[in-house]
Amino acid sequence: GQSLEQPSEVTAVEGAIVQINCTYQTSGFYGLSWYQQHDGGAPTFLSYNALDGLEETGRFSSFLSRSDSYGYLLLQELQMKDSASYFCACHTGGFKTIFGAGTRLFVKA
Amino acid sequence: DSGVTQTPKHLITATGQRVTLRCSPRSGDLSVYWYQQSLDQGLQFLIQYYNGEERAKGNILERFSAQQFPDLHSELNLSSLELGDSALYFCASSVGGTTVNTEAFFGQGTRLTVV
Repeated sequence: GQSLEQPSEVTAVEGAIVQINCTYQTSGFYGLSWYQQHDGGAPTFLSYNALDGLEETGRFSSFLSRSDSYGYLLLQELQMKDSASYFCACHTGGFKTIFGAGTRLFVKA
Repeated sequence: DSGVTQTPKHLITATGQRVTLRCSPRSGDLSVYWYQQSLDQGLQFLIQYYNGEERAKGNILERFSAQQFPDLHSELNLSSLELGDSALYFCASSVGGTTVNTEAFFGQGTRLTVV
């Protein structure tokens, strides 16, 4: 079957760096996206990786290794407003996008 | 504001009933996706429509159905509701027929409570 695994919770302090990992098992893999969702809000797009390597967008970076079926989201210079849930999402064959269960990030002062 | 509009924002209904959730995609987006998010859970893909036709199906129950109309708005119909159907239902839209290499824009969701 198809599945994505990511940690359920991560805690870090303001100003630190945190990495949220995602491993996947899917058929027809096309790419990996990351979404952020604040409590009570809608998911918003952060990044997309189709090829191996690191994509950087401001304080956020995303990495993909297709051979390892693994990716991560790296958040630098953490701010309190980064406290949210982060979802990895696989784009698979058949036009489907499969989301992970999400990682809740707590940023402490 | 993502440009995706979902109505209603909240819905409370009894078991056994039928409800319809509505979604208007961003202007110009041809694809509409429906997701279910239960409490503290991830997003479960239900179904996708592209330019009026069903494009992909996920874990959608037979009691649930959807359609996309010529003006590209979409409706998700949930029938014979059960307590376990209580969840946040999100609609998302994208320009193309897939979210590969393109951003999906999510609406604010409809919170359905079945009592």
